Amino acid sequence: GAGVSQSPSNKVTEKGKDVELRCDPISGHTALYWYRQSLGQGLEFLIYFQGNSAPDKSGLPSDRFSAERTGGSVSTLTIQRTQQEDSAVYLCASSQGRGKNIQYFGAGTRLSVL
Amino acid sequence: ILNVEQSPQSLHVQEGDSTNFTCSFPSSNFYALHWYRWETAKSPEALFVMTLNGDEKKKGRISATLNTKEGYSYLYIKGSQPEDSATYLCALAQGTDKLIFGTGTRLQVFP
Repeated sequence: GAGVSQSPSNKVTEKGKDVELRCDPISGHTALYWYRQSLGQGLEFLIYFQGNSAPDKSGLPSDRFSAERTGGSVSTLTIQRTQQEDSAVYLCASSQGRGKNIQYFGAGTRLSVL
Repeated sequence: ILNVEQSPQSLHVQEGDSTNFTCSFPSSNFYALHWYRWETAKSPEALFVMTLNGDEKKKGRISATLNTKEGYSYLYIKGSQPEDSATYLCALAQGTDKLIFGTGTRLQVFP
């Protein structure tokens, strides 16, 4: 596919369970970003990967959140021991790197924690 | 704390009206300013990336201006159409690769 692909599109889980969200970026894009949008809020930066550099994790809200990017391509965002406040739309974006380059977004994963 | 502010928060206009909204940001260490359109149930889609003070960009009926010295950008829509209904997001790149997004302006255009 030509675009950013995210899976699953929807995830319903019980409080306390772990979840994994997947992002497949556009081929050749060196930068990959995770954001989330909680109800009534703007897009909140979570984490950023650029090439082989150490990721910028400054937006992760707690140590229950982690992400990895394997082989410079696919990324997985993991939320451990989910809480109700983790319910949000999680968006992934990729770009050719640097802040002047357009970010291309996936369709997002809607996470609902019951 | 870096704040990117957008106003108004929401806007309702009639088809054919022209409209504009504002994005305000800290002017220090400016790198780039992005505008995205986010339609309901779709992915955010890039409209413009602006880097130079005084930049003006245009895409069909939508245009944007940038003032990096005073820290603001305007987005204009001429002759709004119902399909323009969306949330319009601006985002600041401040010397780094990540973007800081504003909370958006939600536009609804009524036929």
